[in-house]
Amino acid sequence: DAKTTQPTSMDCAEGRAANLPCNHSTISGNEYVYWYRQIHSQGPQYIIHGLKNNETNEMASLIITEDRKSSTLILPHATLRDTAVYYCIVGSGGSNYKLTFGKGTLLTVNP
Amino acid sequence: GAVVSQHPSWVICKSGTSVKIECRSLDFQATTMFWYRQFPKQSLMLMATSNEGSKATYEQGVEKDKFLINHASLTLSTLTVTSAHPEDSSFYICSPGAGDYYNEQFFGPGTRLTVL
Repeated sequence: DAKTTQPTSMDCAEGRAANLPCNHSTISGNEYVYWYRQIHSQGPQYIIHGLKNNETNEMASLIITEDRKSSTLILPHATLRDTAVYYCIVGSGGSNYKLTFGKGTLLTVNP
Repeated sequence: GAVVSQHPSWVICKSGTSVKIECRSLDFQATTMFWYRQFPKQSLMLMATSNEGSKATYEQGVEKDKFLINHASLTLSTLTVTSAHPEDSSFYICSPGAGDYYNEQFFGPGTRLTVL
């Protein structure tokens, strides 16, 4: 599976957009980009995923570069409750797929 | 999305005792169950994968005789930590897979185990 690289931590002001980058330069053609987050002392939560097109749902937007070597998760209006560790994971996907979690990015939303 | 529960949410036990953690998928049938553990300030590490009605597959370095996994039904899986020691203190999280029904994975709320 392709590995991912994320910044260790980021800060964002409440109400502003949070842009979380992820590098996945070894991604293969059939691999998806998944984003999950984990609020402290809770189980991870699915956010969004995509293959090559940009995606948007009620939680976030996912922008994937044309060469698919990197992506950005966008939380359009961050709130304090969005403070969490965000994991970018690359793989073939599906709910029976074995996820490999890296260290992720700790996003801290400040008032 | 799918609803997953774990019980207990936290447990404190003495060294040498065994602890059972239950994971239930409340609104779908889980053909596969993933069990993770997470030590403080670290990421989730997959411990084992089980399929309903068959033996679990353990990741390298995880003792199968110490971490007993039972996946006897499509809605319930259990993880038993046998002869627990302080180094087994961790956050244990289950994640049921529903095959083609969902594209994403869902996770239980986790069980905090503290071994004294």
